[in-house]
Amino acid sequence: NAGVTQTPKFRVLKTGQSMTLLCAQDMNHEYMYWYRQDPGMGLRLIHYSVGEGTTAKGEVPDGYNVSRLKKQNFLLGLESAAPSQTSVYFCASRFPTGGAGKETQYFGPGTRLLVL
Amino acid sequence: DQQVKQNSPSLSVQEGRISILNCDYTNSMFDYFLWYKKYPAEGPTFLISISSIKDKNEDGRFTVFLNKSAKHLSLHIVPSQPGDSAVYFCAASAWDNDMRFGAGTRLTVKP
Repeated sequence: NAGVTQTPKFRVLKTGQSMTLLCAQDMNHEYMYWYRQDPGMGLRLIHYSVGEGTTAKGEVPDGYNVSRLKKQNFLLGLESAAPSQTSVYFCASRFPTGGAGKETQYFGPGTRLLVL
Repeated sequence: DQQVKQNSPSLSVQEGRISILNCDYTNSMFDYFLWYKKYPAEGPTFLISISSIKDKNEDGRFTVFLNKSAKHLSLHIVPSQPGDSAVYFCAASAWDNDMRFGAGTRLTVKP
């Protein structure tokens, strides 16, 4: 049971390049999330998904697109990278129900992205 | 706008003493509050949570207090241990799926 994994761990892009970050979870979770972490800003939600084939915008969605073609995978795309997108990106997943399941959002180890 | 605020970027305490981490929020719709712990080069891990219908939740050395009238919550760690040194994020969510995080407080526990 690997939990939540993210690929790649680190990437350097030039302004204008595109790339896709992959998140995979093997816990059969319905909900998946993409966050970015910046100094002094905490974690900010980019996009999320409540199930296969569904996506929704979070707090800071501009410049990003996502897809959830399979339940276990959640992809984050940058079509034209900008230096402002230099950040650490975290993926997370959880069960959909409230109570004990609501709080257990499992995070991946993060992807460090540098846009020059 | 930051709906969840952790005004202390860092906190240093002696091993064995109490650590108190604070968090304030502005959105009165938040009904669930959580603390996550993060070590370097790792993702955050869930630590403890509290529902808005309670004012205290305890789990071993960790206790979270919620003061709804003041829109304030705090995490107490007693006794603090060097292994507790990490960044602690406060988070809050409403009935929907959008969870908001604070900027984090870096706790250092000195031996």
